[in-house]
Amino acid sequence: GEDVEQSLFLSVREGDSSVINCTYTDSSSTYLYWYKQEPGAGLQLLTYIFSNMDMKQDQRLTVLLNKKDKHLSLRIADTQTGDSAIYFCAESSRSNDYKLSFGAGTTVTVRA
Amino acid sequence: DAMVIQNPRYQVTQFGKPVTLSCSQTLNHNVMYWYQQKSSQAPKLLFHYYDKDFNNEADTPDNFQSRRPNTSFCFLDIRSPGLGDAAMYLCATSPGTGNEKLFFGSGTQLSVL
Repeated sequence: GEDVEQSLFLSVREGDSSVINCTYTDSSSTYLYWYKQEPGAGLQLLTYIFSNMDMKQDQRLTVLLNKKDKHLSLRIADTQTGDSAIYFCAESSRSNDYKLSFGAGTTVTVRA
Repeated sequence: DAMVIQNPRYQVTQFGKPVTLSCSQTLNHNVMYWYQQKSSQAPKLLFHYYDKDFNNEADTPDNFQSRRPNTSFCFLDIRSPGLGDAAMYLCATSPGTGNEKLFFGSGTQLSVL
């Protein structure tokens, strides 16, 4: 199956920027997503990027896609305590009927 | 607000005792999914419905079944839960148009005693 890998933990000081990285193996990936999961809750879609884009910005969130290296990142500007959560990278492709393949998630801890 | 609702929030069952988890949606989405998520792991797709068409993942155990009586409701049946089936079960929906942005419910945390 498709592999999506993320680093497991990130600790960041409140007010700093967070950068969460993700790599994937499917060169035919069409869409790439970032989901946020707070403790005991379901996953919430934060943002997504189409594979023909390099960057997408949405308020404090910036997504960068390097399709050549199959690398996706999520930058959170001015990180707040409410940003503490698990962040999942996911990809989908037509070859897999657009079913999402998730990474194992990055736990982001924001310290004061 | 349109949403995906899962009931119950927490479910405790006994080893081998059948259990049903439910999911409803007001988004009128074509596709409904069931994921299993164990601690510190990625959600694992069990199966999904595209309208009435059932699609089982190859590695989903036979112990897990699903029903979708109408567009709004989908059920996950675990026929004989084992200790290894204790997990968070997430229901999700998507429009079914290609860019499959999933909308998740809050999940049901299943404990098996």
